[in-house]
Amino acid sequence: GAGVSQSPSNKVTEKGKDVELRCDPISGHTALYWYRQSLGQGLEFLIYFQGNSAPDKSGLPSDRFSAERTGGSVSTLTIQRTQQEDSAVYLCASSASKETQYFGPGTRLLVL
Amino acid sequence: GENVEQHPSTLSVQEGDSAVIKCTYSDSASNYFPWYKQELGKGPQLIIDIRSNVGEKKDQRIAVTLNKTAKHFSLHITETQPEDSAVYFCAASRSYGNKLVFGAGTILRVKS
Repeated sequence: GAGVSQSPSNKVTEKGKDVELRCDPISGHTALYWYRQSLGQGLEFLIYFQGNSAPDKSGLPSDRFSAERTGGSVSTLTIQRTQQEDSAVYLCASSASKETQYFGPGTRLLVL
Repeated sequence: GENVEQHPSTLSVQEGDSAVIKCTYSDSASNYFPWYKQELGKGPQLIIDIRSNVGEKKDQRIAVTLNKTAKHFSLHITETQPEDSAVYFCAASRSYGNKLVFGAGTILRVKS
């Protein structure tokens, strides 16, 4: 079946602009995660949605970052007033409750 | 919070040889340890995982061992093939389905 999809695959923006990154999880998966991968680094947890529970936002690096998950499915990660240090690959993963996390291909963000 | 260290950062082996990647974790409450393989331009893909009630798990050419006392876990790949060349990440979490804390990754090159 279809895996996790993310859009856009690449995004180039200017410093100070807002960006929205989209994640479509695997159908039926109740949990959704956002991670960030900086060049040559491991993955850094950002935020986690589980069903109707309040999201775990403990990994968001600043209040410029926010995410929402509408209808328990699609999620959008928004970065306001982008900075050059926000340049990274943003990865989304989904899982059935208490199961393996499946990752999407990521969105490569470049802030000029 | 949890901290995961991964070694080596790069590893070159001859085709047919074995490769071993080691990780240590700091949080004694962590009980789930997955390994992911990431190919260029793609999202991470789970290759094997282990829970803390098991000391070793094997799947064909891949095995993972866990030493809870020492807080070490390792990935073993036998009979390496060129298609094993990729970046490998270890991770740890407090429970299956919870947010993952990743190591920095190991670039594995298999020379034919």
